[in-house]
Amino acid sequence: NAGVTQTPKFQVLKTGQSMTLQCAQDMNHNSMYWYRQDPGMGLRLIYYSASEGTTDKGEVPNGYNVSRLNKREFSLRLESAAPSQTSVYFCASSDMGQVNTEAFFGQGTRLTVV
Amino acid sequence: AQKITQTQPGMFVQEKEAVTLDCTYDTSDPSYGLFWYKQPSSGEMIFLIYQGSYDQQNATEGRYSLNFQKARKSANLVISASQLGDSAMYFCAMTLIQGAQKLVFGQGTRLTINP
Repeated sequence: NAGVTQTPKFQVLKTGQSMTLQCAQDMNHNSMYWYRQDPGMGLRLIYYSASEGTTDKGEVPNGYNVSRLNKREFSLRLESAAPSQTSVYFCASSDMGQVNTEAFFGQGTRLTVV
Repeated sequence: AQKITQTQPGMFVQEKEAVTLDCTYDTSDPSYGLFWYKQPSSGEMIFLIYQGSYDQQNATEGRYSLNFQKARKSANLVISASQLGDSAMYFCAMTLIQGAQKLVFGQGTRLTINP
């Protein structure tokens, strides 16, 4: 079972470069999420997609854009990377309306902006 | 807005002892869910246990139990008979029971099990 797959696993960017983080889930979940985890902190929600065709801002959306390509895929784009975006990024998915089941997380993408 | 507070940055416990990890939460909404996740050094997020705000009994999953005290807004994780493999970061999180499962996380507790 693949679950939630993120690519790439590691990335180094120069300040001002752009990149897209890819995420795909094979559990037929309605909802998908992007979180970031800074050193010594818990995860914070960047953007989410409650269902196919919708996206909404989370707690820390500045500097990011997202696309819900289809039910399986949800991408996160950094248009002009900044050192403050150095973090570990997690994609997750869950069944909307089934809050008593857990969200499933990808393995994470470790991004360094120099 | 919801908030999760974990006041123990680190804990050290002897193998086979029980350990309690503290979590307090804040929300004005009566319908919410509480989660505990484990993050080992490899980095993945592993779901441990869930408690709903309307659940009458404390949740249990194997060696994990959640001590839910609604009036005190606390949701402490209890690990019985700790093992070396329990060494990891532990995060408490919550979401409202409506719409998407937007999790709000605490800062985590690093648990170290000593042999």
